[in-house]
Amino acid sequence: NAGVTQTPKFRVLKTGQSMTLLCAQDMNHEYMYWYRQDPGMGLRLIHYSVGEGTTAKGEVPDGYNVSRLKKQNFLLGLESAAPSQTSVYFCASSLQTGADTGELFFGEGSRLTVL
Amino acid sequence: GEDVEQSLFLSVREGDSSVINCTYTDSSSTYLYWYKQEPGAGLQLLTYIFSNMDMKQDQRLTVLLNKKDKHLSLRIADTQTGDSAIYFCAETLPTGKLIFGQGTTLQVKP
Repeated sequence: NAGVTQTPKFRVLKTGQSMTLLCAQDMNHEYMYWYRQDPGMGLRLIHYSVGEGTTAKGEVPDGYNVSRLKKQNFLLGLESAAPSQTSVYFCASSLQTGADTGELFFGEGSRLTVL
Repeated sequence: GEDVEQSLFLSVREGDSSVINCTYTDSSSTYLYWYKQEPGAGLQLLTYIFSNMDMKQDQRLTVLLNKKDKHLSLRIADTQTGDSAIYFCAETLPTGKLIFGQGTTLQVKP
């Protein structure tokens, strides 16, 4: 059971470089999310998607873009990386919020360092 | 406003009970959750409670919800070293938005 898979798991970037994090889920979930986790700040929602072809902003969307061209994939892009984007990024998916317990299934995280 | 607050650190001895506390501000939450994060891993749902319940027990875990005070707690009985992790409190609002607390690091000493 793959669940939620994130790639890459580790990446080091220089300021100004761009990159894309890929999240894939095989549970046919409608909702997908990108969070960042920073010490003492918990998880903060960057962007989310409530279905194929849709995206929406979360709490901290600036500097990031997302796309959900296929239901199973949710991509997070950094166009011009900044040191403030050094963090651990988590992708999550859920069947459908409001219709069930709303449990989120998380990937293992992607650690990004921007020098 | 929407906010979930937790203390950042708790240390207990193996075999003792652990109590992790959480306060939230939005009284319209439908579900409240406890997620567990082990080192180097993503979060996993540990347990949840529906907002019309006061208590939920699941083996060594007891969740207490005080809606009047907007207070949620997680009690772990007979805490083991394998329980060492970060525990996140979270609430789901009727809009579907999920709000996480900062996480409480539980350290279990042998």
